[in-house]
Amino acid sequence: NAGVTQTPKFQVLKTGQSMTLQCAQDMNHEYMSWYRQDPGMGLRLIHYSVGAGITDQGEVPNGYNVSRSTTEDFPLRLLSAAPSQTSVYFCASSYAGVSYEQYFGPGTRLTVT
Amino acid sequence: KNEVEQSPQNLTAQEGEFITINCSYSVGISALHWLQQHPGGGIVSLFMLSSGKKKHGRLIATINIQEKHSSLHITASHPRDSAVYICAVRGTQGGSEKLVFGKGTKLTVNP
Repeated sequence: NAGVTQTPKFQVLKTGQSMTLQCAQDMNHEYMSWYRQDPGMGLRLIHYSVGAGITDQGEVPNGYNVSRSTTEDFPLRLLSAAPSQTSVYFCASSYAGVSYEQYFGPGTRLTVT
Repeated sequence: KNEVEQSPQNLTAQEGEFITINCSYSVGISALHWLQQHPGGGIVSLFMLSSGKKKHGRLIATINIQEKHSSLHITASHPRDSAVYICAVRGTQGGSEKLVFGKGTKLTVNP
């Protein structure tokens, strides 16, 4: 099993550009989530999904869009990048929610200039 | 105020020392996670607790629900234990599938 994969590993965007961060898991997990990690702060939840076709907002959803058309994939879209979205982004998955072991992807380091 | 507080923020130890990292939270919880973030950035799950104590190798995690407190202990610490250790909790309100994270404890173990 590859586990949780994220692409790209690094990305530089200009303000106003849009892009999609990819996340995929091959463990047939129902729960997937996106976090951002900023210096001096804990991981913060952006969006999450409890199954295909179901998504919900986390703590910091503004400026981000998600969809879950398959169990395997959970892409995160930045609609119009802003410097405040410079961060490291982690995708995670688990069997059925946050009361189960969480599996994290390797992260995407995004810089918005 | 962050709902999850970890202490200490930074910890330096000599190889072989017994390490304790603390996590306190202010809300009722149904699950608590301990995670390890390697210097390269990757995050792995160490434990998920809802009560009592769990042990895996040299790592021990305990939780006291009444006192809203959990500890992560590392026995016979080794330089490869150097990492950031993160506590995260699931609150009991509203059936939410969300985790709230502490800011992490950076551990450095010197040889």
